[in-house]
Amino acid sequence: KAGVTQTPRYLIKTRGQQVTLSCSPISGHRSVSWYQQTPGQGLQFLFEYFSETQRNKGNFPGRFSGRQFSNSRSEMNVSTLELGDSALYLCASSLAAAVYEQYFGPGTRLTVT
Amino acid sequence: AQSVTQLDSHVSVSEGTPVLLRCNYSSSYSPSLFWYVQHPNKGLQLLLKYTSAATLVKGINGFEAEFKKSETSFHLTKPSAHMSDAAEYFCVVSERGNAGNMLTFGGGTRLMVKP
Repeated sequence: KAGVTQTPRYLIKTRGQQVTLSCSPISGHRSVSWYQQTPGQGLQFLFEYFSETQRNKGNFPGRFSGRQFSNSRSEMNVSTLELGDSALYLCASSLAAAVYEQYFGPGTRLTVT
Repeated sequence: AQSVTQLDSHVSVSEGTPVLLRCNYSSSYSPSLFWYVQHPNKGLQLLLKYTSAATLVKGINGFEAEFKKSETSFHLTKPSAHMSDAAEYFCVVSERGNAGNMLTFGGGTRLMVKP
């Protein structure tokens, strides 16, 4: 069974631009979560989607948004990029609401210049 | 609210010696606990999980962890370190009863293995 895939793997953007990252969960998984990893703040939860609905949201500004499609694929968008948004963005999927075990993709490395 | 504290940011061991990575957690409810490993420039791989079954949990690559409720600890151990174990390890908690799958990560422990 294929794992979680994320595209693109690497991205360089300029301050003020916006970016969209994509995540395809493991087949049959309906929950997709997003995390931001930085050297200073570590791993922080962004949001979680289940059946196209956002169920949880972390403490991030409104510039960070996401959505989930009917096939469980998910996208996250960051608008008006700031230098501090440079990070590894990880997507994780899990089978269902009551299952807390999550499987992570390789991440998208975003660099904002 | 849930939180996780990994007591050592760096641990260095010699190949063939035991590994101990320490983790304490705080949770309002009955938690699920996990250890994940991250090799350089890679995503996170699940090592093992505790979800209220046996308190001694065995994972992949010879790792195991023991859930001690009285000490609110979930330390990760391995009898004999291998060079390939060098990586960053994260202790993670997820509370049951919360509306969804929100994981809270510890700060990470970087394990170095000397030849």
